[in-house]
Amino acid sequence: DQQVKQNSPSLSVQEGRISILNCDYTNSMFDYFLWYKKYPAEGPTFLISISSIKDKNEDGRFTVFLNKSAKHLSLHIVPSQPGDSAVYFCAASGGSSNTGKLIFGQGTTLQVKP
Amino acid sequence: ETGVTQSPTHLIKTRGQQVTLRCSSQSGHNTVSWYQQALGQGPQFIFQYYREEENGRGNFPPRFSGLQFPNYSSELNVNALELDDSALYLCASSLGKLAGGIYEQYFGPGTRLTVT
Repeated sequence: DQQVKQNSPSLSVQEGRISILNCDYTNSMFDYFLWYKKYPAEGPTFLISISSIKDKNEDGRFTVFLNKSAKHLSLHIVPSQPGDSAVYFCAASGGSSNTGKLIFGQGTTLQVKP
Repeated sequence: ETGVTQSPTHLIKTRGQQVTLRCSSQSGHNTVSWYQQALGQGPQFIFQYYREEENGRGNFPPRFSGLQFPNYSSELNVNALELDDSALYLCASSLGKLAGGIYEQYFGPGTRLTVT
């Protein structure tokens, strides 16, 4: 049972354009969402997060949008740069356990072409 | 500030053997979580340790066990290795519950385990 899904395995965009990565979840108890970026041979790097009490959080070129009614979040990268090429994971946490356990999607590979 | 470190980087074991993976958490962090990442998948939660006690466990059998030490470093032990245990094992550290920062976890580079 995949509680967090990233339905696009890959995405290719031109340098300078917007990259939009999508993520859907099924558990309405999730109250915190995070995006991580992963380069080969490295661990995931924390990018940006959002609490369920907000619908938008922005940090420089990265903006995360949360639509709770649709159980959907997205990560916007503007403008995209070749160094952004990596695998992006969305993750969710919360609910009754309160352990901070993260549930990850399968990842989306972003390629930014010069 | 020192980040999360893991050792060894790579490891090859035979089915049925036992393995111990190690993790040093980021300075100031008292919570350590372990994840297994199979090829082409997202990381899957194994368990979490907070101040030396297990604080939640994912859907992994008891042959996956762990420890956290007083300096907040941690070990993951896997007994009776199976071929399906071949994966990247990631350790992540975070601030504990009292600091309210349990969600943002910072990952080490991982240990690549191959079971033959």
